[in-house]
Amino acid sequence: DAKTTQPPSMDCAEGRAANLPCNHSTISGNEYVYWYRQIHSQGPQYIIHGLKNNETNEMASLIITEDRKSSTLILPHATLRDTAVYYCIVRVEPARQLTFGSGTQLTVLP
Amino acid sequence: GAVVSQHPSWVICKSGTSVKIECRSLDFQATTMFWYRQFPKQSLMLMATSNEGSKATYEQGVEKDKFLINHASLTLSTLTVTSAHPEDSSFYICSARAGLAGPYEQYFGPGTRLTVT
Repeated sequence: DAKTTQPPSMDCAEGRAANLPCNHSTISGNEYVYWYRQIHSQGPQYIIHGLKNNETNEMASLIITEDRKSSTLILPHATLRDTAVYYCIVRVEPARQLTFGSGTQLTVLP
Repeated sequence: GAVVSQHPSWVICKSGTSVKIECRSLDFQATTMFWYRQFPKQSLMLMATSNEGSKATYEQGVEKDKFLINHASLTLSTLTVTSAHPEDSSFYICSARAGLAGPYEQYFGPGTRLTVT
């Protein structure tokens, strides 16, 4: 599976959009981009995933660049409860297990 | 969405004793279950993968005789930490997969915090 690079930490003001970047420059054509988050002392929670098209669900939007070498997770209106570590994971759908990197600690500030 | 439970949510045990952690898929059948370990301020590390009715496959560096995994049914997997030592203190998280269908196919439990004194 392709390796991902994320900033270690980010802050965001409550009510504003949080944009979390992820680089995956070695991604191959059949690899999906997944986003999970982990609130302190809880199990990871699925957020969204995509292959090459932008995706949106009730939690977030996923923007994947045309060359697929990077992506951005957007939380449109961040709340304090969105404070968590966000993991960007690239893997071949669906057989492989999820391998977690170091993620981005997002802190939403009041 | 699919729910995975773990029991206990936290446990304290004395060094040298064994501890069993249960992972259950509550509303789906899990063909594959994964066990992860997470030390403070670190990411999740995969320990082993188990398929129902088969022996678990352990990641490199994980002692299979120390971390016994049983996946006897499609809804239950157990992790037993044998002869626990303080360095085994960690957050253990299980994950279950319901086959190969759907984007959510890997669901995570809430985790079990183990403290060995």
